[in-house]
Amino acid sequence: AIQMTQSPSSLSASVGDSVTITCRASQGVRRDLGWYQQKAGKAPKLLIYAASTLQSGVPSRFSGSGSGTDFTLTISSLQPEDFATYYCLQDYSYPRTFGPGTKVEVK
Amino acid sequence: EVQLVESGGSLVQPGGSLRLSCAAPGFTFSNFWMTWVRQAPGKGLQWVANIKQDGSEKYYADSVKGRFTISRDNAKNSLYLQMDSLRAEDTAVYYCARDRDYYKSIIAYDAFDLWGQGTKVTVSS
Repeated sequence: AIQMTQSPSSLSASVGDSVTITCRASQGVRRDLGWYQQKAGKAPKLLIYAASTLQSGVPSRFSGSGSGTDFTLTISSLQPEDFATYYCLQDYSYPRTFGPGTKVEVK
Repeated sequence: EVQLVESGGSLVQPGGSLRLSCAAPGFTFSNFWMTWVRQAPGKGLQWVANIKQDGSEKYYADSVKGRFTISRDNAKNSLYLQMDSLRAEDTAVYYCARDRDYYKSIIAYDAFDLWGQGTKVTVSS
């Protein structure tokens, strides 16, 4: 199975900050990678698919990049509603695997 | 309204069985792969299983293979997860999700674009 890692596991930031989360796959997954946001007690929400394509309705301050084994999610100007946990997911092969998550907290 | 609604979660003893359901009103259910994802208390997301539109292909996480069975009834717009030989480590909130195909040029990508609210399964004596 492809192992996914994320860094950092958590970060503290302020409204207006730019934050970057990194996701790494144990083997190449082309661009078959998505990013999901989950708020406490809620279902996850799709932000980005195919590594860099913004899901409809997701604010443009979210962006994704990368291919192969290394990917990033950037939030360009953090808003109050962005404090949440973010997960990457590879959909290149089975079993599908999520990263362990990155919690974005208020500084 | 386009939504997914899970049900069937409860407290069950180790070794027991449970069947989860996911109702999918508001869209053409038979057009989509469907997926189950779970989240143990305080932990991250874990993909569990998925199933093709016509049920002809199914894939499972190693941790549930041989114990869980995913199925669907397109006439009832419903997805199911039969869970047998349950263990304490199966305790989690179980989400169903729609697995949508996206096309960029000739390449197909998929992502979970619609999620239910989750149903809680607790395995304990």
